[in-house]
Amino acid sequence: AQTVTQSQPEMSVQEAETVTLSCTYDTSESNYYLFWYKQPPSRQMILVIRQEAYKQQNATENRFSVNFQKAAKSFSLKISDSQLGDTAMYFCAFMIGETSGSRLTFGEGTQLTVNP
Amino acid sequence: EPEVTQTPSHQVTQMGQEVILRCVPISNHLYFYWYRQILGQKVEFLVSFYNNEISEKSEIFDDQFSVERPDGSNFTLKIRSTKLEDSAMYFCASSVFVPGDTEAFFGQGTRLTVV
Repeated sequence: AQTVTQSQPEMSVQEAETVTLSCTYDTSESNYYLFWYKQPPSRQMILVIRQEAYKQQNATENRFSVNFQKAAKSFSLKISDSQLGDTAMYFCAFMIGETSGSRLTFGEGTQLTVNP
Repeated sequence: EPEVTQTPSHQVTQMGQEVILRCVPISNHLYFYWYRQILGQKVEFLVSFYNNEISEKSEIFDDQFSVERPDGSNFTLKIRSTKLEDSAMYFCASSVFVPGDTEAFFGQGTRLTVV
């Protein structure tokens, strides 16, 4: 079974600064995907960024980037130039890649607060 | 932009009553999911559905739960006899499976309150 661990229940950052959210996972699979989802107070789940395990290059989406360390099973999210709208719960998630329609396994979440 | 739509946004029901949560997945998606999130906790997988049958279910998805795709567009989750502990946010999601381009799109959720 796969597990996803987010060891930081809460984090805060000043507007315009950079923050990194941590995530580790455990799996015996070799083909998988990793995701970061954002859940604002509206509680909708919004995909922030995705990483395919077979890709060595770290994914980047505008101000969001990941540090994917496959050997260490680590997948951290870096948010640059933090904005007030980034305040949300952030979930790290894992999906097996070989099986179509695989489930997402989520971590416990990190509540990020961006302060003005 | 296509999106997953869930109705109702909030449902209050008496303990022991049946409830049906509805979802309209994105039209060209083939895989459908239900997840739930108890307040303050992480998102948990309930069930996945493909080709008109359940492809995977979690230990949470017991005999009280069922899913159905009654027509070409809707995907429903039924809870037969609700318990207080079923109170949660329920998310529907859908996806296509394209190797190297898999993403699950989530609906806005249905908040279920059992009283």
